[in-house]
Amino acid sequence: KNQVEQSPQSLIILEGKNCTLQCNYTVSPFSNLRWYKQDTGRGPVSLTIMTFSENTKSNGRYTATLDADTKQSSLHITASQLSDSASYICVVSARGGATNKLIFGTGTLLAVQP
Amino acid sequence: NAGVTQTPKFRILKIGQSMTLQCTQDMNHNYMYWYRQDPGMGLKLIYYSVGAGITDKGEVPNGYNVSRSTTEDFPLRLELAAPSQTSVYFCASTTAGGPYEQYFGPGTRLTVT
Repeated sequence: KNQVEQSPQSLIILEGKNCTLQCNYTVSPFSNLRWYKQDTGRGPVSLTIMTFSENTKSNGRYTATLDADTKQSSLHITASQLSDSASYICVVSARGGATNKLIFGTGTLLAVQP
Repeated sequence: NAGVTQTPKFRILKIGQSMTLQCTQDMNHNYMYWYRQDPGMGLKLIYYSVGAGITDKGEVPNGYNVSRSTTEDFPLRLELAAPSQTSVYFCASTTAGGPYEQYFGPGTRLTVT
């Protein structure tokens, strides 16, 4: 069964600190892995998209890594800001069909405190 | 560009009522999607469209219908609303079905009582 699991479920950090969010997946055949940021009451916004051949991708203070062998990904946030408080969703795309099927994780809820 | 817009933002329905959730995108994207997000769960695909006149079922299509008469619009119809359809609904669009960014609308929060 195609699944995406994220940890931790929630996380509280102080402003300025770094943090790393984890994503494990069992999706086959794999097409790509995405990280989204979802602010409360808003739609998800894409942070990074990585294909099989990419093992790291950055977007400002966000750096995602992908290990396709172990089927793990991480999202590292550097020098956190209050505006980073949001849910971070890992999404894995399975290849096939008219549209690659997206399997969504349940998200990690990050709270950045002053 | 306004991106993906959805209306209404909030709606309360009584059991058995019907309504249409509107979704419009101005990016000339061929692919459009409807998802629902339940508390503590990942987004689930309801219906998708790969172009005007073409729609197909996703993972959880029961109780919903869609149409795609233009590239820009992709309305979602709820017939005979049930409490199980209480959720937040997101519309999204993208250029094609590969590793391209999906752009999401702001969502519609629907409560069925």
